[in-house]
Amino acid sequence: GQNIDQPTEMTATEGAIVQINCTYQTSGFNGLFWYQQHAGEAPTFLSYNVLDGLEEKGRFSSFLSRSKGYSYLLLKELQMKDSASYLCAVRDLVNRDDKIIFGKGTRLHILP
Amino acid sequence: DTEVTQTPKHLVMGMTNKKSLKCEQHMGHRAMYWYKQKAKKPPELMFVYSYEKLSINESVPSRFSPECPNSSLLNLHLHALQPEDSALYLCASSQRDQETQYFGPGTRLLVL
Repeated sequence: GQNIDQPTEMTATEGAIVQINCTYQTSGFNGLFWYQQHAGEAPTFLSYNVLDGLEEKGRFSSFLSRSKGYSYLLLKELQMKDSASYLCAVRDLVNRDDKIIFGKGTRLHILP
Repeated sequence: DTEVTQTPKHLVMGMTNKKSLKCEQHMGHRAMYWYKQKAKKPPELMFVYSYEKLSINESVPSRFSPECPNSSLLNLHLHALQPEDSALYLCASSQRDQETQYFGPGTRLLVL
């Protein structure tokens, strides 16, 4: 089966750095996505990792360790608009078919 | 054009009504998806179309009926829904099946 874990909620201060962790157990790991979703809006794509290491995109970075079944999303210089849910999604090979499975999401609250 | 559009934005329907949700993309993507999302929950996959053929049906009740008339359009026909079907219905598309998905703004459905 598949299991994706991420914290339910986190709080951080404007201007600070926050790390949102995601651990997963899958039978045929084939990549990991991070999406941002503001309340009442659609998810928007942030990053995709399939190889070990860190991918940096402006204020956001995503890290993957396949051997540990672990990823994190790092947000720097936090802004109030970063208050949103962050969804970790894993691409899993199930019965020779790829399938993307979403975690429950982490609600991030930014305080002034 | 890097957008997925959905209509209508909001829909209220009775349990005996028949309605349709529409989704359109002009990015040349060959995979399209329907998700259902309840408040404070992650998106739940309902259907996947790949090259206009239904490739995944996540055991969705038959009162939801998807249709892919061509590679740019995806419909979701609704009939005899229940109040618990009230949710945000998200459409997404990707270049190919299970690659990075781009979401539409969603249709907020209320079943009375």
